Amino acid sequence: QQQVKQSPQSLIVQKGGISIINCAYENTAFDYFPWYQQFPGKGPALLIAIRPDVSEKKEGRFTISFNKSAKQFSLHIMDSQPGDSATYFCAASKGGFKTIFGAGTRLFVKA
Amino acid sequence: EAGVVQSPRYKIIEKKQPVAFWCNPISGHNTLYWYLQNLGQGPELLIRYENEEAVDDSQLPKDRFSAERLKGVDSTLKIQPAELGDSAVYLCASSQRGIGDTQYFGPGTRLTVL
Repeated sequence: QQQVKQSPQSLIVQKGGISIINCAYENTAFDYFPWYQQFPGKGPALLIAIRPDVSEKKEGRFTISFNKSAKQFSLHIMDSQPGDSATYFCAASKGGFKTIFGAGTRLFVKA
Repeated sequence: EAGVVQSPRYKIIEKKQPVAFWCNPISGHNTLYWYLQNLGQGPELLIRYENEEAVDDSQLPKDRFSAERLKGVDSTLKIQPAELGDSAVYLCASSQRGIGDTQYFGPGTRLTVL
């Protein structure tokens, strides 16, 4: 019940295309859903986050879509760029502190 | 503003040897986390501190792992003795009290146990 399932494991997108990463959770007590971006040799960095009272949040080229009834949320990267090539982790937390991470998606954007 | 600092960045040891990792969180951040990240996986929480107090250590293997956060600032994570399966990246993160949702991660320490 504590798991966050993420797909796909890896993704190759052409420059300018849309990258879509999906996550599903079980625990309805989760109240915060962040996405982290991690480059090789670096720690994860918060990219964008959403709370379950909204269905979508957009920040620049990054959008989170949230479906509370389906217990699913996704990250959309519009106009994907080679610099977006990284590993992306979805996560869910309860009370802001106990964060459960997905297994990650390795994104490669072809120039 | 300086980020979360960790040292060493890399460590190679023989199995059964002890090892320690150090973390200096962002100034003013009261909450400190230690995570374990296996290759190709997401981070998994080992322990969370609120100031000097370990408030969640349920995932810390206490037979060989220990941690401390004296004075509520820097923290040390120790493994003694190390096993082959401990090879991973150990990440430290910090967040402000009351804004616990945003965690700032350090670069991690990559441990290799031979």
